[in-house]
Amino acid sequence: GAGVSQSPSNKVTEKGKDVELRCDPISGHTALYWYRQSLGQGLEFLIYFQGNSAPDKSGLPSDRFSAERTGGSVSTLTIQRTQQEDSAVYLCASSSRWGTDTQYFGPGTRLTVL
Amino acid sequence: AQSVTQLGSHVSVSEGALVLLRCNYSSSVPPYLFWYVQYPNQGLQLLLKYTSAATLVKGINGFEAEFKKSETSFHLTKPSAHMSDAAEYFCAVTGAQQAGTALIFGKGTTLSVSS
Repeated sequence: GAGVSQSPSNKVTEKGKDVELRCDPISGHTALYWYRQSLGQGLEFLIYFQGNSAPDKSGLPSDRFSAERTGGSVSTLTIQRTQQEDSAVYLCASSSRWGTDTQYFGPGTRLTVL
Repeated sequence: AQSVTQLGSHVSVSEGALVLLRCNYSSSVPPYLFWYVQYPNQGLQLLLKYTSAATLVKGINGFEAEFKKSETSFHLTKPSAHMSDAAEYFCAVTGAQQAGTALIFGKGTTLSVSS
């Protein structure tokens, strides 16, 4: 079956612009995670959605970052007023309803802020 | 709090040699442990996971890992390296009693395989 998909695969933007990154989880998966992968910080958790519960935003680095999940499926990560330190690969993962089940990762979106 | 330490950011082996990638964890609750592999310009792929069943876990591509509570370790091994094993490997932990928590990753180990 189809895996987790993300778009765009690459995004180049100018400092100060807003960007939106999209994630389509595996069909039927109710848990969705966003992570960030950068050279300096490794893999960092950003935000987690589980069904209709309030998201766990504890990993978001600043209030410029936000995410939403519509209809319990597709998710969009928005970064406002991008900074050069936001340059990274943003990875999305999904898992079944049980939180400790395997997380399946998408290919990521590489964001470059000039 | 949970954390993962991967000893050695870069490991080099010859084709056919034993692969050993080290992972130590810290967790205040019984952990679930994972090894993921990342090939260049690709996402993370699950190699294997420990979820409190058998302590020796077998995964894909001939890899296996052993959970040792006394050593708080979950080292990844493969008896004979293949050129296609060259990639970056990540160890991760999450709390078994904490449904819905995110994975905490180690810094990763890059495996190089020479002919």
